[in-house]
Amino acid sequence: GENVEQHPSTLSVQEGDSAVIKCTYSDSASNYFPWYKQELGKRPQLIIDIRSNVGEKKDQRIAVTLNKTAKHFSLHITETQPEDSAVYFCAASPLSGGYNKLIFGAGTRLAVHP
Amino acid sequence: IAGITQAPTSQILAAGRRMTLRCTQDMRHNAMYWYRQDLGLGLRLIHYSNTAGTTGKGEVPDGYSVSRANTDDFPLTLASAVPSQTSVYFCASSESTSSYNEQFFGPGTRLTVL
Repeated sequence: GENVEQHPSTLSVQEGDSAVIKCTYSDSASNYFPWYKQELGKRPQLIIDIRSNVGEKKDQRIAVTLNKTAKHFSLHITETQPEDSAVYFCAASPLSGGYNKLIFGAGTRLAVHP
Repeated sequence: IAGITQAPTSQILAAGRRMTLRCTQDMRHNAMYWYRQDLGLGLRLIHYSNTAGTTGKGEVPDGYSVSRANTDDFPLTLASAVPSQTSVYFCASSESTSSYNEQFFGPGTRLTVL
């Protein structure tokens, strides 16, 4: 089955710096890759996603890139702010089982220091 | 607009007891999901439902059961709780089961089994 690995597990940056979180997946048939942000004590919320037919997608300070050949995708946050501090989860959706199945990475705890 | 709600917010439970976690959504979403979140393991799917009247097993279904009598409700039952079921449980829903559909998460239930 699908397996998603996420690195690093923790990331500490200074305000204004960029942050990059990387994920690899095992199932080459996966076709959808969302990223969720979870603030302390809150629910996960979708921040950006990318489909397998797209190589890059941007939304203001956030971008996601996908390399299907290498089976990895990355989240890029530019000009980081303290409110970006949270746990970020990547996920992959394999084409199996007939439902919207998401396999999540273990998460990256991002700390942005003023 | 409530979106998706869960009850209780938290619960301490003696091992061997039966417990039902409740989940209700008012978005008329067809698909619903139950995840457990454990430190270092991300979110793992327990059970899912494509539509009212149907359910399926996720990655970690043992010790849990679900039912989907109607569109709005998707309760998760622990028949005989064990300490390894101590976790934060999130219910989620999506418009349909096809890929690319955003999953919306509830606020979570923190369960401690002693």
